[in-house]
Amino acid sequence: EPEVTQTPSHQVTQMGQEVILRCVPISNHLYFYWYRQILGQKVEFLVSFYNNEISEKSEIFDDQFSVERPDGSNFTLKIRSTKLEDSAMYFCASSVTGGGTDTQYFGPGTRLTVL
Amino acid sequence: KQEVTQIPAALSVPEGENLVLNCSFTDSAIYNLQWFRQDPGKGLTSLLLIQSSQREQTSGRLNASLDKSSGRSTLYIAASQPGDSATYLCAVMENTDKLIFGTGTRLQVFP
Repeated sequence: EPEVTQTPSHQVTQMGQEVILRCVPISNHLYFYWYRQILGQKVEFLVSFYNNEISEKSEIFDDQFSVERPDGSNFTLKIRSTKLEDSAMYFCASSVTGGGTDTQYFGPGTRLTVL
Repeated sequence: KQEVTQIPAALSVPEGENLVLNCSFTDSAIYNLQWFRQDPGKGLTSLLLIQSSQREQTSGRLNASLDKSSGRSTLYIAASQPGDSATYLCAVMENTDKLIFGTGTRLQVFP
């Protein structure tokens, strides 16, 4: 069964460093998402992406964050200058269609630790 | 602003029990509601999706109902097994593609 994959599974970085989290969505999916979950808190929406453009972003997704689909298979989240409070589990998700008609399928997550 | 609440926060039951997890949301203008399962340190597995026009969905031992007007959903798990132990999350989708999650119910089923 196709699944969303994410690399790395765990990333440790120093405050102020740039990190890139990578995701490979399910191949026929057209809508892509990033969410994050700070330890012990709710899963929070960061950004949605369709047709090479950001569809929607939350107030968390400030100028330090960017997303890109550099080729036909990868979807990346970049954090330019990491802060301690960026430490969280980051989940990538994808769906065939948007608009609430389809399930979003989540990857296993990347645990980001900022020291 | 939409708020999603789940009760109880934690539940511990013996194997074989039927159980109900509750989810409530403050704004009834939703497109759909999804239930997910999250195992420790792992990703989210979608269990059931209920469109706003539907009242319930079933998959195996799981049944989810939706009462949009009262802002409530329940997840019913029949004949619980130790393998059902996980955190169960509900999430609603409004007029965008973003999911708004609840805090989850941590379920432990003991033999």
